[in-house]
Amino acid sequence: DSGVTQTPKHLITATGQRVTLRCSPRSGDLSVYWYQQSLDQGLQFLIQYYNGEERAKGNILERFSAQQFPDLHSELNLSSLELGDSALYFCASSVFAGGGNEQFFGPGTRLTVL
Amino acid sequence: DQQVKQNSPSLSVQEGRISILNCDYTNSMFDYFLWYKKYPAEGPTFLISISSIKDKNEDGRFTVFLNKSAKHLSLHIVPSQPGDSAVYFCAASAWNSGGSNYKLTFGKGTLLTVNP
Repeated sequence: DSGVTQTPKHLITATGQRVTLRCSPRSGDLSVYWYQQSLDQGLQFLIQYYNGEERAKGNILERFSAQQFPDLHSELNLSSLELGDSALYFCASSVFAGGGNEQFFGPGTRLTVL
Repeated sequence: DQQVKQNSPSLSVQEGRISILNCDYTNSMFDYFLWYKKYPAEGPTFLISISSIKDKNEDGRFTVFLNKSAKHLSLHIVPSQPGDSAVYFCAASAWNSGGSNYKLTFGKGTLLTVNP
Protein backbone atom coordinates (compact mmCIF):
# COMPACT_ATOMS: atom_id res chain seq x y z
CA ASP A 1 0.00 0.00 0.00
CA SER A 2 1.59 3.25 -1.20
CA GLY A 3 -0.54 5.48 1.01
CA VAL A 4 -2.04 7.23 -2.01
CA THR A 5 -5.77 6.70 -2.42
CA GLN A 6 -7.85 7.19 -5.52
CA THR A 7 -11.60 7.10 -5.96
CA PRO A 8 -13.48 5.69 -7.68
CA LYS A 9 -11.68 2.54 -8.78
CA HIS A 10 -13.87 2.12 -11.83
CA LEU A 11 -15.99 4.58 -13.73
CA ILE A 12 -18.22 3.88 -16.72
CA THR A 13 -19.82 6.78 -18.49
CA ALA A 14 -21.03 7.94 -21.87
CA THR A 15 -19.50 10.22 -24.47
CA GLY A 16 -20.07 13.88 -23.84
CA GLN A 17 -20.30 13.45 -20.09
CA ARG A 18 -18.11 14.94 -17.36
CA VAL A 19 -16.44 13.04 -14.52
CA THR A 20 -14.28 13.88 -11.53
CA LEU A 21 -11.48 11.67 -10.27
CA ARG A 22 -10.23 12.16 -6.74
CA CYS A 23 -6.82 11.59 -5.20
CA SER A 24 -5.54 11.82 -1.63
CA PRO A 25 -1.74 11.95 -1.40
CA ARG A 26 0.43 10.26 1.21
CA SER A 27 0.47 12.03 4.53
CA GLY A 28 3.07 14.79 4.36
CA ASP A 29 3.42 14.81 0.57
CA LEU A 30 2.88 18.24 -0.95
CA SER A 31 3.18 17.33 -4.60
CA VAL A 32 0.48 15.55 -6.61
CA TYR A 33 0.84 14.28 -10.16
CA TRP A 34 -1.74 12.94 -12.60
CA TYR A 35 -0.92 10.40 -15.31
CA GLN A 36 -2.91 8.71 -18.05
CA GLN A 37 -2.18 5.20 -19.26
CA SER A 38 -3.97 4.23 -22.44
CA LEU A 39 -3.78 0.87 -24.17
CA ASP A 40 -0.28 0.24 -25.53
CA GLN A 41 0.93 3.51 -24.11
CA GLY A 42 3.26 4.25 -21.27
CA LEU A 43 2.36 6.58 -18.49
CA GLN A 44 1.65 10.00 -19.95
CA PHE A 45 2.20 12.86 -17.55
CA LEU A 46 -0.80 15.18 -17.42
CA ILE A 47 -0.28 17.77 -14.70
CA GLN A 48 1.41 18.43 -11.36
CA TYR A 49 0.39 20.46 -8.35
CA TYR A 50 2.60 21.46 -5.45
CA ASN A 51 1.05 22.76 -2.24
CA GLY A 52 -2.04 23.98 -4.05
CA GLU A 53 -0.36 25.55 -7.05
CA GLU A 54 0.02 24.21 -10.56
CA ARG A 55 3.71 23.45 -11.17
CA ALA A 56 3.97 21.63 -14.46
CA LYS A 57 1.77 20.68 -17.38
CA GLY A 58 2.26 17.74 -19.67
CA ASN A 59 0.05 16.34 -22.40
CA ILE A 60 -3.20 17.46 -20.81
CA LEU A 61 -6.13 18.24 -23.09
CA GLU A 62 -8.04 21.50 -22.72
CA ARG A 63 -11.14 19.44 -21.85
CA PHE A 64 -9.29 18.25 -18.75
CA SER A 65 -8.55 20.31 -15.67
CA ALA A 66 -7.30 19.68 -12.18
CA GLN A 67 -6.89 21.38 -8.86
CA GLN A 68 -5.33 20.75 -5.48
CA PHE A 69 -7.26 21.79 -2.42
CA PRO A 70 -5.99 23.23 0.89
CA ASP A 71 -6.10 19.76 2.48
CA LEU A 72 -3.81 18.69 -0.41
CA HIS A 73 -6.21 16.27 -2.04
CA SER A 74 -6.55 16.71 -5.76
CA GLU A 75 -9.28 16.29 -8.33
CA LEU A 76 -8.97 15.68 -12.06
CA ASN A 77 -11.97 16.84 -14.06
CA LEU A 78 -12.59 15.33 -17.47
CA SER A 79 -15.32 16.89 -19.61
CA SER A 80 -16.91 16.34 -23.03
CA LEU A 81 -15.64 12.80 -22.79
CA GLU A 82 -14.69 10.91 -25.93
CA LEU A 83 -14.17 7.21 -26.54
CA GLY A 84 -10.43 7.81 -26.68
CA ASP A 85 -10.41 9.09 -23.11
CA SER A 86 -10.94 5.54 -21.87
CA ALA A 87 -7.80 4.79 -19.88
CA LEU A 88 -6.28 4.20 -16.49
CA TYR A 89 -5.71 7.42 -14.62
CA PHE A 90 -3.06 7.37 -11.92
CA CYS A 91 -2.35 9.86 -9.24
CA ALA A 92 1.07 9.99 -7.59
CA SER A 93 2.51 12.04 -4.77
CA SER A 94 5.93 13.03 -3.51
CA VAL A 95 7.30 15.14 -0.70
CA PHE A 96 8.92 17.71 -2.91
CA ALA A 97 8.47 18.85 -6.46
CA GLY A 98 11.49 17.31 -8.14
CA GLY A 99 15.09 16.21 -7.84
CA GLY A 100 14.81 12.54 -8.61
CA ASN A 101 12.04 12.33 -6.06
CA GLU A 102 10.42 8.97 -5.77
CA GLN A 103 6.77 9.27 -6.65
CA PHE A 104 4.27 7.05 -4.87
CA PHE A 105 1.40 5.93 -7.05
CA GLY A 106 -2.18 5.21 -6.19
CA PRO A 107 -4.01 2.14 -7.54
CA GLY A 108 -5.58 4.12 -10.37
CA THR A 109 -9.07 4.83 -11.67
CA ARG A 110 -10.16 2.88 -14.73
CA LEU A 111 -12.36 5.09 -16.89
CA THR A 112 -14.49 3.52 -19.59
CA VAL A 113 -16.30 5.83 -22.00
CA LEU A 114 -19.07 4.12 -23.98
CA ASP B 1 8.60 12.50 -29.73
CA GLN B 2 9.30 9.61 -27.40
CA GLN B 3 12.22 10.65 -25.23
CA VAL B 4 12.34 7.41 -23.24
CA LYS B 5 12.12 4.17 -25.17
CA GLN B 6 11.77 0.60 -24.04
CA ASN B 7 12.07 -1.30 -27.27
CA SER B 8 11.22 -4.74 -25.91
CA PRO B 9 7.52 -5.04 -25.07
CA SER B 10 8.12 -8.35 -23.33
CA LEU B 11 10.84 -10.59 -21.91
CA SER B 12 10.67 -14.14 -20.66
CA VAL B 13 13.35 -15.74 -18.45
CA GLN B 14 13.77 -18.82 -16.32
CA GLU B 15 13.72 -18.63 -12.54
CA GLY B 16 17.20 -18.19 -11.15
CA ARG B 17 18.61 -16.65 -14.33
CA ILE B 18 19.40 -13.01 -14.99
CA SER B 19 16.76 -10.62 -16.34
CA ILE B 20 18.05 -7.63 -18.28
CA LEU B 21 15.63 -4.85 -19.10
CA ASN B 22 16.80 -2.09 -21.40
CA CYS B 23 15.92 1.55 -21.84
CA ASP B 24 17.17 4.21 -24.26
CA TYR B 25 16.71 7.95 -23.99
CA THR B 26 17.28 10.93 -26.21
CA ASN B 27 17.28 13.94 -23.87
CA SER B 28 20.77 14.65 -22.57
CA MET B 29 19.26 16.92 -19.89
CA PHE B 30 17.80 13.99 -17.95
CA ASP B 31 19.57 13.87 -14.60
CA TYR B 32 17.78 11.05 -12.77
CA PHE B 33 16.62 7.72 -14.03
CA LEU B 34 14.15 5.52 -12.21
CA TRP B 35 12.68 2.06 -12.61
CA TYR B 36 9.13 1.30 -11.55
CA LYS B 37 7.44 -2.08 -11.33
CA LYS B 38 3.73 -2.53 -11.94
CA TYR B 39 1.53 -5.50 -11.12
CA PRO B 40 -1.92 -5.81 -12.71
CA ALA B 41 -4.62 -3.75 -11.00
CA GLU B 42 -2.03 -1.83 -8.97
CA GLY B 43 -0.22 1.43 -9.40
CA PRO B 44 3.49 1.47 -10.29
CA THR B 45 5.89 1.10 -7.38
CA PHE B 46 9.36 2.55 -7.23
CA LEU B 47 12.17 0.02 -7.58
CA ILE B 48 15.52 1.73 -7.96
CA SER B 49 17.01 4.95 -9.29
CA ILE B 50 20.33 6.29 -10.49
CA SER B 51 21.73 9.78 -10.78
CA SER B 52 23.26 10.78 -14.08
CA ILE B 53 26.59 11.32 -12.35
CA LYS B 54 26.84 7.62 -11.53
CA ASP B 55 27.15 4.58 -13.74
CA LYS B 56 25.88 1.90 -11.39
CA ASN B 57 23.52 1.57 -8.48
CA GLU B 58 22.80 -1.67 -6.69
CA ASP B 59 20.04 -2.66 -4.30
CA GLY B 60 19.88 -6.32 -3.41
CA ARG B 61 19.00 -8.34 -6.48
CA PHE B 62 18.48 -5.21 -8.56
CA THR B 63 21.26 -3.27 -10.29
CA VAL B 64 20.85 -0.37 -12.68
CA PHE B 65 23.62 0.51 -15.12
CA LEU B 66 23.83 3.85 -16.90
CA ASN B 67 25.85 4.47 -20.06
CA LYS B 68 25.58 8.20 -20.69
CA SER B 69 27.56 8.20 -23.90
CA ALA B 70 25.16 5.67 -25.38
CA LYS B 71 22.12 7.23 -23.65
CA HIS B 72 21.25 3.78 -22.43
CA LEU B 73 20.36 2.25 -19.11
CA SER B 74 19.57 -1.26 -18.07
CA LEU B 75 18.07 -3.00 -15.08
CA HIS B 76 19.56 -6.34 -14.05
CA ILE B 77 17.65 -8.69 -11.78
CA VAL B 78 19.72 -11.55 -10.38
CA PRO B 79 18.50 -14.12 -9.61
CA SER B 80 15.07 -13.70 -11.18
CA GLN B 81 12.09 -14.97 -9.21
CA PRO B 82 8.51 -15.70 -10.32
CA GLY B 83 7.33 -12.83 -8.11
CA ASP B 84 9.33 -10.46 -10.28
CA SER B 85 6.86 -11.04 -13.11
CA ALA B 86 5.40 -7.59 -13.77
CA VAL B 87 5.59 -4.65 -16.15
CA TYR B 88 8.74 -2.61 -15.66
CA PHE B 89 8.74 1.07 -16.57
CA CYS B 90 11.85 3.10 -17.15
CA ALA B 91 11.49 6.81 -16.29
CA ALA B 92 13.72 9.84 -16.53
CA SER B 93 13.48 13.25 -14.95
CA ALA B 94 14.69 16.71 -15.87
CA TRP B 95 13.95 20.31 -15.08
CA ASN B 96 11.46 21.93 -17.39
CA SER B 97 12.58 24.70 -19.72
CA GLY B 98 11.66 27.39 -17.21
CA GLY B 99 13.70 25.74 -14.51
CA SER B 100 10.77 25.71 -12.13
CA ASN B 101 10.02 22.06 -11.91
CA TYR B 102 10.89 18.48 -12.62
CA LYS B 103 8.96 16.24 -14.90
CA LEU B 104 9.08 12.46 -15.12
CA THR B 105 8.94 10.93 -18.58
CA PHE B 106 8.05 7.25 -18.76
CA GLY B 107 8.74 4.58 -21.32
CA LYS B 108 5.97 2.26 -22.48
CA GLY B 109 7.08 -0.59 -20.27
CA THR B 110 8.41 -4.13 -20.65
CA LEU B 111 6.42 -7.13 -19.45
CA LEU B 112 8.76 -9.49 -17.64
CA THR B 113 7.67 -13.09 -17.15
CA VAL B 114 9.79 -15.29 -14.92
CA ASN B 115 8.98 -18.95 -15.46
CA PRO B 116 9.36 -21.42 -12.56
